[in-house]
Amino acid sequence: GQQLNQSPQSMFIQEGEDVSMNCTSSSIFNTWLWYKQDPGEGPVLLIALYKAGELTSNGRLTAQFGITRKDSFLNISASIPSDVGIYFCAGREGGADGLTFGKGTHLIIQP
Amino acid sequence: DGGITQSPKYLFRKEGQNVTLSCEQNLNHDAMYWYRQDPGQGLRLIYYSQIVNDFQKGDIAEGYSVSREKKESFPLTVTSAQKNPTAFYLCASSKAGGGFYGYTFGSGTRLTVV
Repeated sequence: GQQLNQSPQSMFIQEGEDVSMNCTSSSIFNTWLWYKQDPGEGPVLLIALYKAGELTSNGRLTAQFGITRKDSFLNISASIPSDVGIYFCAGREGGADGLTFGKGTHLIIQP
Repeated sequence: DGGITQSPKYLFRKEGQNVTLSCEQNLNHDAMYWYRQDPGQGLRLIYYSQIVNDFQKGDIAEGYSVSREKKESFPLTVTSAQKNPTAFYLCASSKAGGGFYGYTFGSGTRLTVV
């Protein structure tokens, strides 16, 4: 199946730093979603985006639906220890049976 | 509260045995999905079902089987034909529409072959 290119693969940051990650696709998507997975648990939906150019926040998290409809970005401001985990992007092409997932960005915070 | 439940959380299987992972949802979702997660490989789709009594193979269906006899339930059987079954398995569900509103995931089952 189609793959999303998610980067970076992993990030080692200090507590308090801002974080940026992104996903790109070769196809146009009509939905972009961002999930977070804690160790040993299932992914949980953070933000859903439905319109090109849309910018949506959820607390310290902000995500954007790229204007080309082929990319999306997630920013986390002032990181805290509980932000540790794997962040997945997911997208949906029009008419598709389901979502396509990126391979995840593993966020590690050093105290 | 509505949700999606996977059981058991941990499962150990001897080589050559079949084992069934349970997934139940009370969200009234039409579609259900099974993913396999290995370190560094993201989520790989095994099987999915959009309606009762119908299911489709995903990217890595070999060595797995599913059934969808009830809307609420989508069990996954890992057969002895699966060469490397040790992994973290995730079940998900969504409203009709191919995940437009996103998937709801269960908390996963970690399967280990001993």
